[in-house]
Amino acid sequence: DAGITQSPRHKVTETGTPVTLRCHQTENHRYMYWYRQDPGHGLRLIHYSYGVKDTDKGEVSDGYSVSRSKTEDFLLTLESATSSQTSVYFCAITRTPDPGNEQFFGPGTRLTVL
Amino acid sequence: TQLLEQSPQFLSIQEGENLTVYCNSSSVFSSLQWYRQEPGEGPVLLVTVVTGGEVKKLKRLTFQFGDARKDSSLHITAAQPGDTGLYLCAGAWGNTGKLIFGQGTTLQVKP
Repeated sequence: DAGITQSPRHKVTETGTPVTLRCHQTENHRYMYWYRQDPGHGLRLIHYSYGVKDTDKGEVSDGYSVSRSKTEDFLLTLESATSSQTSVYFCAITRTPDPGNEQFFGPGTRLTVL
Repeated sequence: TQLLEQSPQFLSIQEGENLTVYCNSSSVFSSLQWYRQEPGEGPVLLVTVVTGGEVKKLKRLTFQFGDARKDSSLHITAAQPGDTGLYLCAGAWGNTGKLIFGQGTTLQVKP
């Protein structure tokens, strides 16, 4: 258990509304990641963070922003949700970014945008 | 852009059969990881292979990393219903810990 929680676990919202998903870790790891998972696409990286206030874009970052003001929390925001952002969102941490590192995943947030 | 092609995407077999899942890329990875995911949960790491040509065994699962570190395979011997799930390969590169995932293989093992 890597001590990762995500909230909310399920959310239904309407197109055009802002949505914020929270990832919380208890082990003080430096690296955190947000992915989305869709059928036929595996997991795709949205944004990642390598420290407080240090973030960078992943391969599918359009329409998403992130913030990390504390080591333990990594927030993912959809400024104006669209139906194409209906997905399952996973947060992950890694204990070291060295080759061979493994990522530990949270339980996921299922987001539906109507 | 890194790309990792995983095949097959779906596999339905009878208990006791063998199977192989493949992950292929034109890119070189510093390591290749295999994850298993149950419905409603996050992926869980099965194994990491780092050295070209490396073979690792985990009970009835055998993982291999290609000599050029561009491809990998997962072989399951005598599959059991408990092996049912989504299997994901992921390639790592650089020093940011970023992973690129294959599309996943949904395995169903029927009793």
